[in-house]
Amino acid sequence: GQNIDQPTEMTATEGAIVQINCTYQTSGFNGLFWYQQHAGEAPTFLSYNVLDGLEEKGRFSSFLSRSKGYSYLLLKELQMKDSASYLCAVREYFNTDKLIFGTGTRLQVFP
Amino acid sequence: EAGVTQSPTHLIKTRGQQATLRCSPISGHTSVYWYQQALGLGLQFLLWYDEGEERNRGNFPPRFSGRQFPNYSSELNVNALELEDSALYLCASSSSYEQYFGPGTRLTVT
Repeated sequence: GQNIDQPTEMTATEGAIVQINCTYQTSGFNGLFWYQQHAGEAPTFLSYNVLDGLEEKGRFSSFLSRSKGYSYLLLKELQMKDSASYLCAVREYFNTDKLIFGTGTRLQVFP
Repeated sequence: EAGVTQSPTHLIKTRGQQATLRCSPISGHTSVYWYQQALGLGLQFLLWYDEGEERNRGNFPPRFSGRQFPNYSSELNVNALELEDSALYLCASSSSYEQYFGPGTRLTVT
C-alpha cells in the first residue's frame, strides 16, 4: 500500500532551526518532493531528492534515505514568513507522473 | 512567464448539480494534473492528462472526469455533486519532474 506520514503540527521560534520528518511506504519509488503551501495559496516547489543524501538550497535543506523510507526538510534561520504547511510527496516508480502526498505539516513560527 | 491559471476562483453549487473547473498550464507544458485537497486531508491525485490523453486517474468515482484540449488547457467536470466534494481543486502542469501548481478553485457544495 501507499502511506506517507508527517507530523501534523510543529512550532518554532524566529531564528531557530526546525526539522520536519517524513516517512513513506510505496509500491515503488522514483523521487521525493517537498512543497510549501501558505494558507489559501498553491503549493510551491522546494526540493526534489531521488538519490540518498542531503540537498542544500539556501536556508532549506532536504535529506533522503531510500533504505529507511525517510526524508526530512531542514529549515534554518527561521523567519515569520516560513509559517506555512510543508507537504512531503513521493513519486511512484510505476506511475511516474503521479505524486502521493502526505497530509502536510503545519509550521507556526513565533517571534 | 505566466504561471498555471485556474478559473473560477470560487464556485458554489448545490448537491446534484454539475461543476466545471478550468486550468491553463504554463506555456510549453503538455502535462496537466488535477488534485483534490479536502479540509484536513492531503492532496489526493485525481487525473493526469498528457498530449490530450488521460494517462492515469486516482481512486475517484467516474463522476469525476475531464479532458485536455489541443492547446493543453484542461477541464475537470464533477457530476452529481455531493457534499463531500467540497474542497480546493488544484491543477498542476509539468514539462519534466517538477509540478507547478495553480492557485486552485474552491468548490463549495451546499
